[in-house]
Amino acid sequence: AQTVTQSQPEMSVQEAETVTLSCTYDTSENNYYLFWYKQPPSRQMILVIRQEAYKQQNATENRFSVNFQKAAKSFSLKISDSQLGDTAMYFCAVEGTSGSRLTFGEGTQLTVNP
Amino acid sequence: ETGVTQTPRHLVMGMTNKKSLKCEQHLGHNAMYWYKQSAKKPLELMFVYSLEERVENNSVPSRFSPECPNSSHLFLHLHTLQPEDSALYLCASSHQSGTGVNTLHFGNGTRLTVT
Repeated sequence: AQTVTQSQPEMSVQEAETVTLSCTYDTSENNYYLFWYKQPPSRQMILVIRQEAYKQQNATENRFSVNFQKAAKSFSLKISDSQLGDTAMYFCAVEGTSGSRLTFGEGTQLTVNP
Repeated sequence: ETGVTQTPRHLVMGMTNKKSLKCEQHLGHNAMYWYKQSAKKPLELMFVYSLEERVENNSVPSRFSPECPNSSHLFLHLHTLQPEDSALYLCASSHQSGTGVNTLHFGNGTRLTVT
């Protein structure tokens, strides 16, 4: 079984500042992947970043980076130099490599203010 | 522009109606998915098709009936729905290679309202 918990239903940040979204998870699989998806008002879910659990180095994609703490089962997303277009619902998700399907958290609504 | 197209974008239907949601992917993927997204709840996986065979059905009521005629198209047939079925229905596709996990590509969803 897999669970994902996002404890922040809503967050806001000023344009150009940095914000961190929290995520904790649980899985019984030995190897798994972690994801952050973004859902803007257009409703299309878009992959922001993904992390393979066996890799210790934190993934980075331009202004987006993660802080992966495997022992603590924590996978937070840091957005640097926030832009108005970053306003969206952000979902954390986990998927095991042995057949467990992608499991999503409840999401965090991020608003970037001008 | 999305490689996964869903129609219609919005749908309002009565509880006695029959309607269908359509999904088409242009990415050459071999797996397709239906998800239900309700307010303040995690996305719920409904059905998975791999190589046009249904490989997963997560205890979805029979009033939802999926159909996958080929690897590019996926339908969700709806009949005698309940108001609690009102939600955003998302289609996704991926390329399943048998190793590791594969990124899902989503459509824009169909906002369904059952009156």
